Amino acid sequence: GQSLEQPSEVTAVEGAIVQINCTYQTSGFYGLSWYQQHDGGAPTFLSYNALDGLEETGRFSSFLSRSDSYGYLLLQELQMKDSASYFCVSWGGSYIPTFGRGTSLIVHP
Amino acid sequence: DAMVIQNPRYQVTQFGKPVTLSCSQTLNHNVMYWYQQKSSQAPKLLFHYYDKDFNNEADTPDNFQSRRPNTSFCFLDIRSPGLGDAAMYLCATSGSATGNEKLFFGSGTQLSVL
Repeated sequence: GQSLEQPSEVTAVEGAIVQINCTYQTSGFYGLSWYQQHDGGAPTFLSYNALDGLEETGRFSSFLSRSDSYGYLLLQELQMKDSASYFCVSWGGSYIPTFGRGTSLIVHP
Repeated sequence: DAMVIQNPRYQVTQFGKPVTLSCSQTLNHNVMYWYQQKSSQAPKLLFHYYDKDFNNEADTPDNFQSRRPNTSFCFLDIRSPGLGDAAMYLCATSGSATGNEKLFFGSGTQLSVL
C-alpha cells in the first residue's frame, strides 16, 4: 500500500525559514517529489529526490532519507507569495505517484 | 511552449447529464493521468495511461470512464454526474523514463453539478 503523512498546516512570518516534513510508506519506493499549489491553481513541480541527501533550488531545498522513509521541504526567506498548499508525492510501482494530504502554509507579514 | 491544456476551464452540468472533459498535450509524454481534487483535499488518481495501456484505480467509480485516442489527447467521461462529482479535474503527464518523475499539470477543469 501507499500512505504519506505531512502536517495539515504550518504558519510562519515573512523572511523566516520553514520545514515541512513528510513520512511515507510506499511499495517499491524510488523517489519523493514536492509540489506547490495555490488556491484555484494546478500543482506545480518543486523538486524530486531519488537519492539520500539535500537538493537545493533557489530558496527551496528538499531532503530525503530512504532508510528513515522521511523527507522534508525547506523554504527559506519566506515571502507572502509562498502561501499555498504543499504536497509530498511518493513514486513507487510503475509510474504511480501518490499524493500526501497536503500542508497549508500560511505566511504572515 | 509545450504544455498540457485542459478545456473547458469551468464546466457546469446537470445532475445525471453526461459530460466529457478534455486534455491535450504537446510534450509527447507517453504517461497521462486524470486526478479528481475536492476542496482542501489532495488530488485523487482516477486513471492513468502508459501509452494506450489503460489503468483504472481500484476505487474509481464505474461512472467515470476515459479514452485516449492518441498520444496527444485524453478524455474523461462522467456518465451520470452526481452532486458528489463536483470537483476540480486535473490532467497531468510525465515522461516514462525512470529519473524523469515530474508531473506536468494542466490548469484543470472545475466541474459544477446542478
